[in-house]
Amino acid sequence: AQSVSQHNHHVILSEAASLELGCNYSYGGTVNLFWYVQYPGQHLQLLLKYFSGDPLVKGIKGFEAEFIKSKFSFNLRKPSVQWSDTAEYFCAVNTGFQKLVFGTGTRLLVSP
Amino acid sequence: DGGITQSPKYLFRKEGQNVTLSCEQNLNHDAMYWYRQDPGQGLRLIYYSQIVNDFQKGDIAEGYSVSREKKESFPLTVTSAQKNPTAFYLCASSTSGTNGGEQYFGPGTRLTVT
Repeated sequence: AQSVSQHNHHVILSEAASLELGCNYSYGGTVNLFWYVQYPGQHLQLLLKYFSGDPLVKGIKGFEAEFIKSKFSFNLRKPSVQWSDTAEYFCAVNTGFQKLVFGTGTRLLVSP
Repeated sequence: DGGITQSPKYLFRKEGQNVTLSCEQNLNHDAMYWYRQDPGQGLRLIYYSQIVNDFQKGDIAEGYSVSREKKESFPLTVTSAQKNPTAFYLCASSTSGTNGGEQYFGPGTRLTVT
């Protein structure tokens, strides 16, 4: 079965620090990859997505992610985090059946 | 405004009672999904429906039931057979076309069973 691993369960950063959240998936075929974010008290919303083409994708609020096929990874990055980035981040994979498999999430706390 | 609505936001029930969670969407999406979110476990798929009058079990369907009589609506019933029903329940929808599986989520219902 397909699975998604997010290795960092909790991350604490100071404002202006750089962020990288790891995501690895287990599936050998073609995948579509997503990062979703859940801000406190808000809907789960799409941060960015990769379907094909340039493996470096840019999303909202200055986030980007890089798809490395050989490593089965789709890590999320942001050069300089803000207090408003405090949220829970979920990586997800679609393997072609209109279903998403989610990772367990990473809680990010950014201290001002 | 197009979107997904879930009601109520908070729901309390006594053990042994069935409870139905509402999910409505006006995005004209064919597919709808129910997830359960527990701390440290991410989102786990309960049921999904790709078209009206059809639905499939997800990874953790035991103790739950659904119906899809209308395109806009996909209610979830948490039955008394569900051993750990207290959780945050999320409904989502997506088009059935070539969107790569991108899903749109509702605000969720937090169910507490005592």
